[in-house]
Amino acid sequence: NAGVTQTPKFRVLKTGQSMTLLCAQDMNHEYMYWYRQDPGMGLRLIHYSVGEGTTAKGEVPDGYNVSRLKKQNFLLGLESAAPSQTSVYFCASSSPWAGGEQFFGPGTRLTVL
Amino acid sequence: AQSVTQLDSHVSVSEGTPVLLRCNYSSSYSPSLFWYVQHPNKGLQLLLKYTSAATLVKGINGFEAEFKKSETSFHLTKPSAHMSDAAEYFCVVSDRDTGFQKLVFGTGTRLLVSP
Repeated sequence: NAGVTQTPKFRVLKTGQSMTLLCAQDMNHEYMYWYRQDPGMGLRLIHYSVGEGTTAKGEVPDGYNVSRLKKQNFLLGLESAAPSQTSVYFCASSSPWAGGEQFFGPGTRLTVL
Repeated sequence: AQSVTQLDSHVSVSEGTPVLLRCNYSSSYSPSLFWYVQHPNKGLQLLLKYTSAATLVKGINGFEAEFKKSETSFHLTKPSAHMSDAAEYFCVVSDRDTGFQKLVFGTGTRLLVSP
């Protein structure tokens, strides 16, 4: 049982490049989330999904897109990376019956030059 | 809207002394509250959660927190700090009490433990 995994762990992009971050969970959770973590700001929700084929915007969605084609996977895309997207990205998942507890992946550190 | 305020950005203690990390919340109903810990270059791990059962909640690694509605507080404590407790701690509130829940994170408190 790997829990929540994220690929890649590190990435450096140039401004304007695109990339996709992959999140996978093996706990059969309905809900999945993408957060970004910036110094002194805690975690902020980018997008989330309440089930396969559904996504919704969170607190800071601009510049990102997501897809949830399979229940176990949640992809975060950056179409044209900007330096302001330099951050650590965390994926999380949860069950409707877990009292709100979310399980987090190890994070992806992204630098945009 | 729900929010949390972590009153200290950094807390320094000596090994073996008590730990107190302070958190105040704002919520329009009886919330679910959490403390998560993040060790350097790691993901977040749940320490404990309050979901309207006992007001004193015990978590992992000897941590506990007390829900005080009258003070809108959920402070995290540990009787005796260990070097391995050095990490960043986040106080978190959920945005509703049933169904799909979004978490609102505080800005974090970095705990430093000296020998």
